[in-house]
Amino acid sequence: ELKVEQNPLFLSMQEGKNYTIYCNYSTTSDRLYWYRQDPGKSLESLFVLLSNGAVKQEGRLMASLDTKARLSTLHITAAVHDLSATYFCAVDMKIAGGTSYGKLTFGQGTILTVHP
Amino acid sequence: GAGVSQSPRYKVAKRGQDVALRCDPISGHVSLFWYQQALGQGPEFLTYFQNEAQLDKSGLPSDRFFAERPEGSVSTLKIQRTQQEDSAVYLCASSLARVYSYEQYFGPGTRLTVT
Repeated sequence: ELKVEQNPLFLSMQEGKNYTIYCNYSTTSDRLYWYRQDPGKSLESLFVLLSNGAVKQEGRLMASLDTKARLSTLHITAAVHDLSATYFCAVDMKIAGGTSYGKLTFGQGTILTVHP
Repeated sequence: GAGVSQSPRYKVAKRGQDVALRCDPISGHVSLFWYQQALGQGPEFLTYFQNEAQLDKSGLPSDRFFAERPEGSVSTLKIQRTQQEDSAVYLCASSLARVYSYEQYFGPGTRLTVT
């Protein structure tokens, strides 16, 4: 059974600081996703990481993937209040035959609060 | 263009009632997924359709849960004899499901409260 664990689960940051959210998963995966969710809203796709060593950046967020370590990181640079939200990583599990079809297993989420 | 839409956005049901939740995926999207998100948790997979075929229903928590997508577009998730533990947000997602077209687009969700 695929397990996805995020840490920390709660993150309180000051504006301007840097921090990293970690996502560990237990079995081989095709793809890893990062989503953002604002309170009462649906999931917004941030990044899709396809291969070992993949790195993607958008604004103050950068995501990376190490498939050998089964680890992805979401790095926040110079945090601003607008980044306050819950961040989820999700893994698309390989099925028999070595393919996957998009069935996602999510981590517990990291609640990020950025303070002035 | 239009995204994934879901209706109703909020539903309050008395325990024992049946409910039906609707999902309109993005036009042309082959794959459709239902997820259940309990308060303070990540979404959990319920079921998957490729066109009208339900290829994976391993996440449905009991035989009270039933999903269909008869014409390969709109999908309905039905919950019979609702229980309090069914209270959650039900998210629908769709994707093109072509080679390298892997991104899922999520709808706004239906918040179900069972009293």
